[in-house]
Amino acid sequence: QVQLQESGPGLVKPSETLSLICSVSGGSLSSSHWAWIRQPPGRGLEWIGYTDGSGNTKYSPPLESRVTISIDTTKRQFSLKLTSLTAADTAVYYCARDEALGAFELWGQGARVTVSS
Amino acid sequence: EIVLTQSPATLSLSPGERATLSCRASQSVGTYLAWYQQKPGQAPRLLIYDTSIRATGIPARFSGSGSGTDFTLTISSLESEDFGIYYCQQRNTWLVTFGGGTKVEIK
Repeated sequence: QVQLQESGPGLVKPSETLSLICSVSGGSLSSSHWAWIRQPPGRGLEWIGYTDGSGNTKYSPPLESRVTISIDTTKRQFSLKLTSLTAADTAVYYCARDEALGAFELWGQGARVTVSS
Repeated sequence: EIVLTQSPATLSLSPGERATLSCRASQSVGTYLAWYQQKPGQAPRLLIYDTSIRATGIPARFSGSGSGTDFTLTISSLESEDFGIYYCQQRNTWLVTFGGGTKVEIK
């Protein structure tokens, strides 16, 4: 059974860079799209972007200038880097899988990130 | 960017009643429309993808319909466990957006 697990710092300072990792247990990383999605406190879901197993990426236009998503199939993980953080980036960050459905059928439990000095 | 508008914002119904949730897109998304349920403190759960296909393990009381810009999620007979926030999501030209959500409250 495939599982996703986010890891990273819970607190980051303004203007710094957030780095999160999603570890994938089970299954193949090659045949799916792997996404990052976030949810600010009390608000809705926001797609950040995704990568496929070959490292091809698509990003949300409003975030594109600050986001990098990469994949390391040998380590069975993919990662998110988000630069120039502000308080508006405070959110629960989820990693998720789209197995060619156009939808996210598998999610991690979420990583809570607070941007504050 | 395709904007998804969900209505109503809140739906308050009794167990056994029928729930009808709407999702309208600012331009056609074909059939790439999905629905999720989210409960407090949990990750979203995929209910429906490709407009009308139930995800694995989703009960038959959940159904989806629509095409182009207007989509509907129907819960035929609400159960108490169906409370939560429901989001629609589209993936057109490989860019993804979510609707703002409909909160379903159980009376």
